[in-house]
Amino acid sequence: KQEVTQIPAALSVPEGENLVLNCSFTDSAIYNLQWFRQDPGKGLTSLLLIQSSQREQTSGRLNASLDKSSGRSTLYIAASQPGDSATYLCAVLMDSNYQLIWGAGTKLIIKP
Amino acid sequence: DVKVTQSSRYLVKRTGEKVFLECVQDMDHENMFWYRQDPGLGLRLIYFSYDVKMKEKGDIPEGYSVSREKKERFSLILESASTNQTSMYLCASKGNWVQNTGELFFGEGSRLTVL
Repeated sequence: KQEVTQIPAALSVPEGENLVLNCSFTDSAIYNLQWFRQDPGKGLTSLLLIQSSQREQTSGRLNASLDKSSGRSTLYIAASQPGDSATYLCAVLMDSNYQLIWGAGTKLIIKP
Repeated sequence: DVKVTQSSRYLVKRTGEKVFLECVQDMDHENMFWYRQDPGLGLRLIYFSYDVKMKEKGDIPEGYSVSREKKERFSLILESASTNQTSMYLCASKGNWVQNTGELFFGEGSRLTVL
């Protein structure tokens, strides 16, 4: 059974730092992996989607990598800003069904 | 821009009332989902639909039903609301593998309080 883990559960860093959020999964037979951002009381915003055949995706200051063999994905945020404060979730889509398996999220606080 | 719209951001209902949560997407997506999100429990799938009039139970379907009469609209129904259904409800949609990459898009959420 696929399990998705995000460590740490919470992270607080000063503005301007580069940081890495981690997402690990136990079953490498994934179809894709998606990173989301959620602001308090709001829905989820899709940040990056990595297909199983890809190694990384970039959007602005965000870079997501995928290593299926080791069961890991990382979300790199460059030059962090207070507006990046949010909860970041990863989810994996398995090959044979419609369901996503979710991590519990990392709550990120960027201090001005 | 992709758009998933949930009809109500905030609702307050009484125990035993029938509740309808509506979700509309404008991306011609085949697949639509209803999740609930609770502190400490994360996102849990209630129901999903992979085509018009088709539905599948998710992890926690008890106490809920759904309706998908048109491709763009997916409704979540609480036949008799109970206090333990107080939660944030999130609708999402996703295309099939022919249509696009399989990226999942969410609405803004509906926070339901049952008194």
